[in-house]
Amino acid sequence: SQTIHQWPATLVQPVGSPLSLECTVEGTSNPNLYWYRQAAGRGLQLLFYSVGIGQISSEVPQNLSASRPQDRQFILSSKKLLLSDSGFYLCAWSPFYSTEAFFGQGTRLTVV
Amino acid sequence: SQQGEEDPQALSIQEGENATMNCSYKTSINNLQWYRQNSGRGLVHLILIRSNEREKHSGRLRVTLDTSKKSSSLLITASRAADTASYFCATAPAQGAQKLVFGQGTRLTINP
Repeated sequence: SQTIHQWPATLVQPVGSPLSLECTVEGTSNPNLYWYRQAAGRGLQLLFYSVGIGQISSEVPQNLSASRPQDRQFILSSKKLLLSDSGFYLCAWSPFYSTEAFFGQGTRLTVV
Repeated sequence: SQQGEEDPQALSIQEGENATMNCSYKTSINNLQWYRQNSGRGLVHLILIRSNEREKHSGRLRVTLDTSKKSSSLLITASRAADTASYFCATAPAQGAQKLVFGQGTRLTINP
């Protein structure tokens, strides 16, 4: 069966510090991968999605970047965090032939 | 960008009653999906309805889709306290990108 791992669960970082959130998927090949951000009490904002290694589509111009160094690994990064980067970050995957998504448990990022 | 808009934003009903949530979207879609999120957790896929389908059932869930009105509804029958959660609709575009765009969600509270 397929599983998705996202870590860490919570993170407190100072303004101006770098960020690296990692997400890995097991039990499937060539998945579509997604990073979403959710503000408190709000919907999900699609940040990045990837249909293959090295293929990243950015949905929102911002302080963040994403990379997919391996088929089942998706990384969200920032060189210098802003206060506005605080939020709940969710990684998800879907089969390459579908958009039915399976989510990780999320990372709550607080920038202080 | 947010494609789907859920209505109402919040809904509070008594256990045993039916809960209906609505979703409207703006562009042509391949499919529409409903997800559930318990507080502070990742999202769980509930049901997918394709653009050529009008109604779909899964257990106590009933989803309808009206592509002429660009709207969908989710009905939860015989609600239980455990149904308390946020519910989101998400749309996959008719052409091109393998991505899923979410609405703002409906916060459902089931009172015992």
